[in-house]
Amino acid sequence: AQTVTQSQPEMSVQEAETVTLSCTYDTSENNYYLFWYKQPPSRQMILVIRQEAYKQQNATENRFSVNFQKAAKSFSLKISDSQLGDTAMYFCAFMKLQGAQKLVFGQGTRLTINP
Amino acid sequence: DVKVTQSSRYLVKRTGEKVFLECVQDMDHENMFWYRQDPGLGLRLIYFSYDVKMKEKGDIPEGYSVSREKKERFSLILESASTNQTSMYLCASSSYRTSGKAYEQYFGPGTRLTVT
Repeated sequence: AQTVTQSQPEMSVQEAETVTLSCTYDTSENNYYLFWYKQPPSRQMILVIRQEAYKQQNATENRFSVNFQKAAKSFSLKISDSQLGDTAMYFCAFMKLQGAQKLVFGQGTRLTINP
Repeated sequence: DVKVTQSSRYLVKRTGEKVFLECVQDMDHENMFWYRQDPGLGLRLIYFSYDVKMKEKGDIPEGYSVSREKKERFSLILESASTNQTSMYLCASSSYRTSGKAYEQYFGPGTRLTVT
């Protein structure tokens, strides 16, 4: 079974700073996807970024980028130039490509951006 | 845009009641999922369905059942609600066919259920 671990329950930074959220996972699969989801106070879960395990290049989406270390089973999220609207719960998630498209989530990190 | 809706944002039920949580998606997705979200535990999969009338247990199916009679609708049923089922319930859908966004799950706004 796969497990996903987010070791930082809460983080807080000042607006415009850069922040990195950590995620590690455990799997014996070779082909899989990794995701970061954002859940703002409105509760609507939104996909932030996705990484295919077979791709060596780290995914980027505007101010959001990942550091994917497959051998270390590490998948961190970096938010550059943080904004007040980035305040949210962030969840790391794993999906293996074989079988049903089930997500396995980490515990979540509550990120607060302070003005 | 994909839209996933859930029947209630907040729900209060009494212990022993039968509870129905409804989820509807409008993008003809094959896959639908029910998760529960608890502080410090993240989201855990209760049940999922990959086609009409097809269902599979997730990681925590005990105390729950599901129904998928139509492709767009996936219902979560608490046969006899208990206080330990007080939680946030999130529905999601996905498709194998969505070009460029394969494997992305789209979530509903969640139902916060309180069982007293």
